[in-house]
Amino acid sequence: AQTVTQSQPEMSVQEAETVTLSCTYDTSESDYYLFWYKQPPSRQMILVIRQEAYKQQNATENRFSVNFQKAAKSFSLKISDSQLGDAAMYFCAFLNFGNEKLTFGTGTRLTIIP
Amino acid sequence: DSGVTQTPKHLITATGQRVTLRCSPRSGDLSVYWYQQSLDQGLQFLIQYYNGEERAKGNILERFSAQQFPDLHSELNLSSLELGDSALYFCASSTRRVRTSTDTQYFGPGTRLTVL
Repeated sequence: AQTVTQSQPEMSVQEAETVTLSCTYDTSESDYYLFWYKQPPSRQMILVIRQEAYKQQNATENRFSVNFQKAAKSFSLKISDSQLGDAAMYFCAFLNFGNEKLTFGTGTRLTIIP
Repeated sequence: DSGVTQTPKHLITATGQRVTLRCSPRSGDLSVYWYQQSLDQGLQFLIQYYNGEERAKGNILERFSAQQFPDLHSELNLSSLELGDSALYFCASSTRRVRTSTDTQYFGPGTRLTVL
């Protein structure tokens, strides 16, 4: 069974600074997907970024980028130029190719300090 | 807005009752997934339907059931409700046009269920 670990229950960052959220996972599969979802106070689950395991290039979406280290089974999220609207719970998630269920980590609560 | 809709937004009911949660996937999406988010269990996968057929099951209780209709909307039925069933229930959908492929899941706004 796959497991996803987010070891930072809470993080905080000054507005306009950069912050990195950590995620590690455990799997014996070689083909899979990794995601970061954001859950603001509204409780909506919003996709932030996606990474296919077969791609060596790290995914980037505007101010959000990942550092994907397949051998180390690490998938961290970097948020640049942090904004007040980035305050949320961030969940790392794993999905096997051909499988149906997302396996989520326990989340990291990110606070933005004005 | 993900394009996935869920009704109702909030539901308050009593123990022993039965409720139905409804989900409409994004236009063109064939797969619907149900997840439960509770304080003690985190986010957990319940069940998935693909084009009307049950495709995968997770930690879904026998008191819970789901179905996907010909118009692709889905309903999650929760019966004999207990206090511990209070949670946020999410529906997600994905394109997944090829049966063996996998695609990104987009989540609806969720239904908050409170069992008193």
